[in-house]
Amino acid sequence: AQSVAQPEDQVNVAEGNPLTVKCTYSVSGNPYLFWYVQYPNRGLQFLLKYITGDNLVKGSYGFEAEFNKSQTSFHLKKPSALVSDSALYFCAVSSNYGGATNKLIFGTGTLLAVQP
Amino acid sequence: GAVVSQHPSRVICKSGTSVKIECRSLDFQATTMFWYRQFPKQSLMLMATSNEGSKATYEQGVEKDKFLINHASLTLSTLTVTSAHPEDSSFYICSGRASNTGELFFGEGSRLTVL
Repeated sequence: AQSVAQPEDQVNVAEGNPLTVKCTYSVSGNPYLFWYVQYPNRGLQFLLKYITGDNLVKGSYGFEAEFNKSQTSFHLKKPSALVSDSALYFCAVSSNYGGATNKLIFGTGTLLAVQP
Repeated sequence: GAVVSQHPSRVICKSGTSVKIECRSLDFQATTMFWYRQFPKQSLMLMATSNEGSKATYEQGVEKDKFLINHASLTLSTLTVTSAHPEDSSFYICSGRASNTGELFFGEGSRLTVL
């Protein structure tokens, strides 16, 4: 069975400072990892994904994430936070990207609050 | 990017009535669509997986007679909450898997409030 853990319910950071939102995963076989952002009463917006290749993945809005196989982690990072980055962030994992059984399992979400 | 349209975005209904939520893939074909439910300040819980032209597969604990899913075409899936009750109030989100690439695209969600 696959699972995702986001250990922090909320992350607070000052505008301009670097931010990290943590995610660890458990999956049998190769992991396919995703980050999504959700604004209030909205659906999910795709930020980035790791399928294969370079462990450092760059995504939308200046976000990036690093796949670490030994630590089974896929932390989301941004060098300089903006107030507009304040939102709910979800990490997700799939064990079968693109296949017939490709379904995402989501973490519990981390609320990012960026103070001006 | 690909677009998934979900309608209605908000719906309020009386207890005992049925509500239908539509999920359309506007510029891609979705062989598979997923329906999620999200409670306030919680994660997305997968309810069911629907494949075009066949019966939906429901996750454990989800009542299939309560949440009717139809996936009649490659661009449309519907979720009907039958005999809705206040505890069914939630945010429902659909996701379509593009047939050609396997990528997933999410709708904007539908907030259901049952009075």
